[in-house]
Amino acid sequence: TQLLEQSPQFLSIQEGENLTVYCNSSSVFSSLQWYRQEPGEGPVLLVTVVTGGEVKKLKRLTFQFGDARKDSSLHITAAQPGDTGLYLCAGADSNYQLIWGAGTKLIIKP
Amino acid sequence: NAGVMQNPRHLVRRRGQEARLRCSPMKGHSHVYWYRQLPEEGLKFMVYLQKENIIDESGMPKERFSAEFPKEGPSILRIQQVVRGDSAAYFCASSFHTESTEAFFGQGTRLTVV
Repeated sequence: TQLLEQSPQFLSIQEGENLTVYCNSSSVFSSLQWYRQEPGEGPVLLVTVVTGGEVKKLKRLTFQFGDARKDSSLHITAAQPGDTGLYLCAGADSNYQLIWGAGTKLIIKP
Repeated sequence: NAGVMQNPRHLVRRRGQEARLRCSPMKGHSHVYWYRQLPEEGLKFMVYLQKENIIDESGMPKERFSAEFPKEGPSILRIQQVVRGDSAAYFCASSFHTESTEAFFGQGTRLTVV
C-alpha cells in the first residue's frame, strides 16, 4: 500500500515567519500536486510538479519535487494570515490515481 | 466554463433514510472521484468512476454505499440507511483523462445524520 506522509500535521506561527511543509513516501510518483483547502470549501490546486528536482514558485510559495520523485516540500516565505488553511499533497501513482497525504493545518497569527 | 458542481451543499437526514449526493464534473471531464472528509482530517478516497464504469471502489464500504456516473447526467453517490457515522463532508473531483491527474474539486456536500 502506498502512503504519503505529511509533516507537520499542525503548525501555528506568527505573521512574517517562514515555514516548510513536507510530504514523504517510499514510493515513486509520476507527479505530485499540492492543494490548499479553506474551511467549508473544496481543495484548490496550487501546483503540479512532474520532474525530479523540479522547483516551482508561486509568489511567496516555493514547491520542490525530490530528485527521486518520492518526496516534496512546500516552503512559504513571510507567511501572512491569508495563507491559513489545510495544505494537502497528492501523488499520482503508476495507474495515475492520486494518493493523498493527511494534510497540514496551518494557522498564521497576525 | 463552470467548475465542478455539487449539490446539495448541506444535507440533513435522519438515521435510516437515504442520502443522494450529486456531482456534475467540469465540462469535458469524464473522470470523477468521490472523497470523504471528517473534520480536521484529510481526504479519504472512496470511488473512481469513468462514464458508465466504476474503475476503483476500494475505498467505499461494501454495504449501503453505491456510486454511478451515467452516460447522461451527474455522478451520484448514494448512501442507504444512513447512520450517524456517515456524517461528513463528501467531495467530488473531476479530471480530463487518465493521464491528467490534476483534479478539480467541487465545494462538497456536508451530510449530517441526526
